[in-house]
Amino acid sequence: EVQLVESGGGLVQPGRSLRLSCAASGFTFDDYAMHWVRQAPGKGLEWVSGISWNSGSIGYADSGKGRFSISRDNAKNSLYLQMNSLRAEDTALYYCAKKTEPTTLGYFDYWGQGTLVTVSS
Amino acid sequence: QSALTQPASVSGSPGQSITISCTGTSSDVGGYNYVSWYQQHPGKAPKLMIYDVSNRPSGVSNRFSGSKSGNTASLTISGLQAEDEADYYCSSYTSSSTLHVVFGGGTKLTVL
Repeated sequence: EVQLVESGGGLVQPGRSLRLSCAASGFTFDDYAMHWVRQAPGKGLEWVSGISWNSGSIGYADSGKGRFSISRDNAKNSLYLQMNSLRAEDTALYYCAKKTEPTTLGYFDYWGQGTLVTVSS
Repeated sequence: QSALTQPASVSGSPGQSITISCTGTSSDVGGYNYVSWYQQHPGKAPKLMIYDVSNRPSGVSNRFSGSKSGNTASLTISGLQAEDEADYYCSSYTSSSTLHVVFGGGTKLTVL
């Protein structure tokens, strides 16, 4: 059974940093691209960042470019999102999502339950 | 990256059919057959309902179907049931940049 379990969320002050983690199991992790998608309270889905199977390709939404850094450790079946200089508008539920392809194409076939990030003083 | 355009809400009575549209550009929806649709119930993670414009994953009811014409993709739900009430999001591959994904703003489906 495929499982994606996010962790690392919490309450953080504006300007501070947070590192999210996603532990994957039930599939061959290094065969697929992985992504972070967020959802602000009462709002829609927003793509945040994605990384190819071998970390050779990485993409960021404009909202996180220069502040967020995605990475993966295939030996640990884990995905990460380092978020720096956090802003109130980064407050959201952050989902880890698995793509069906190793790089650019495909769609999201599995999602975690999300980890909540709240940026507030 | 601009979001795909979806109606904010649609509604229908049990047994009826509804269609949700998703409009993009030639750089995403119109240029590629890589549109997917996700259903999200309150407090739950999104669930894949349609992929590659019109394909249904195993386990998804055949009441759900997808299509595309030009820059607009559509999700049709026939024989509406109470449990279909949820938010629906379209998504597309986009050529704007490597690995980028674009979502629609979401549509709230109400079953009257």
